[in-house]
Amino acid sequence: DSGVTQTPKHLITATGQRVTLRCSPRSGDLSVYWYQQSLDQGLQFLIQYYNGEERAKGNILERFSAQQFPDLHSELNLSSLELGDSALYFCASSVGARDYEKLFFGSGTQLSVL
Amino acid sequence: AQKVTQAQTEISVVEKEDVTLDCVYETRDTTYYLFWYKQPPSGELVFLIRRNSFDEQNEISGRYSWNFQKSTSSFNFTITASQVVDSAVYFCALKNNNDMRFGAGTRLTVKP
Repeated sequence: DSGVTQTPKHLITATGQRVTLRCSPRSGDLSVYWYQQSLDQGLQFLIQYYNGEERAKGNILERFSAQQFPDLHSELNLSSLELGDSALYFCASSVGARDYEKLFFGSGTQLSVL
Repeated sequence: AQKVTQAQTEISVVEKEDVTLDCVYETRDTTYYLFWYKQPPSGELVFLIRRNSFDEQNEISGRYSWNFQKSTSSFNFTITASQVVDSAVYFCALKNNNDMRFGAGTRLTVKP
């Protein structure tokens, strides 16, 4: 158990809808990362927050947004969902924001857009 | 641009065989970090090892060993005497400037 908690584990929704994925980092970790894993794109970095502030941005679509709250949990919001958004979404956390920090991953949220 | 290539999509071995998973990376930076993660069938990525670009010393941890060669931009992972529990997808990753790039992964199946 990595200590990173993601909810829900599974989410089924329809095209055009909006969903929110939630992540609680390990106790003491200030950085939260979001990744998308799909068969065709592999593991893609979406966005990173450090202590409430956006730190780095990857291949995140404009329809997607995220935030990190004062209690350090994070939410990833996906809107106007398309079939291609179906994927496994991972949250990871690390103590700080340095490059040497190893990431601890949650078990993911499997999103299915029908 | 940073890139990680894991050319082996799938590998299948019989228990007790040794197996090497290849990882080749591209980066223009002189300071970077390399990682290996394991993704078992349960889905959660598990950290295995981290190596910085200035430390080319090979590392052994039980049945696992890693060979980092800067001259060939490779960071290969060898499992000695493989076991069924080693069956998983293994990812190599490169991190620099908060940008962590993963390879496509190698699915290892160890048959009894």
